[in-house]
Amino acid sequence: QSALTQPASVSGSPGQSITISCTGTSSDVGAYNFVSWFQQYPGKAPKLMIFDVSVRPSGVSSRFSGSKFDNSASLTISGLQAEDEADYYCSSYTPSGPLIFGGGTKLTVL
Amino acid sequence: QRQLVESGGGVVQPGGSLRLSCAASGFALSTSGMHWVRQTPGKGLQYVAGMDYDGGRTYYAESMEGRVTISRDTSKNTLYLQMNSLRGDDTALYYCARDAKYFSFDVWGQGTMVTVSS
Repeated sequence: QSALTQPASVSGSPGQSITISCTGTSSDVGAYNFVSWFQQYPGKAPKLMIFDVSVRPSGVSSRFSGSKFDNSASLTISGLQAEDEADYYCSSYTPSGPLIFGGGTKLTVL
Repeated sequence: QRQLVESGGGVVQPGGSLRLSCAASGFALSTSGMHWVRQTPGKGLQYVAGMDYDGGRTYYAESMEGRVTISRDTSKNTLYLQMNSLRGDDTALYYCARDAKYFSFDVWGQGTMVTVSS
């Protein structure tokens, strides 16, 4: 099972908005609304930021939002802050997986 | 406060076995699906295995099936991962995680490192 495709890196200035894409296939991202996004700081465990494509867990800032179109999902961070600098991973349920992750995206806040 | 603490990692020779443990506190394993995910610098996050909240169904990544077994002891509120026939590419940091809603993980442990090397 191939990993989901994410850009290796993205960057933005404080206050700007950035979007991280997560491309899969019609067997995973395109077939199910079970896409999650995780934030990970160096040396720390991942933290759930979005689940079910666009649902924010309690306590997660409303600056984080998720969406999906066809076989691609996206994480948008608005009003970028220095503390958002981290690695971000997407994941999707797939019957043959049952879960696959993206390769991760390093977000740099300039 | 919901917390997971993994243990049992270490250095093991190729072909060897290891059992990882994940002690839960602040919630009951009997009411939560639980999973193992590993992370390597080169391959990022990778799903390993999981179990439904009632223990009725287990899930395994294709690359691990037949070599790992997930189990739990609800009386000890502890999740386990038995790993056999370990290979060099099993070297990774192994996390346990709680399922918030169908393969979305809202609570993670700090991870336990497994190194397979002769």
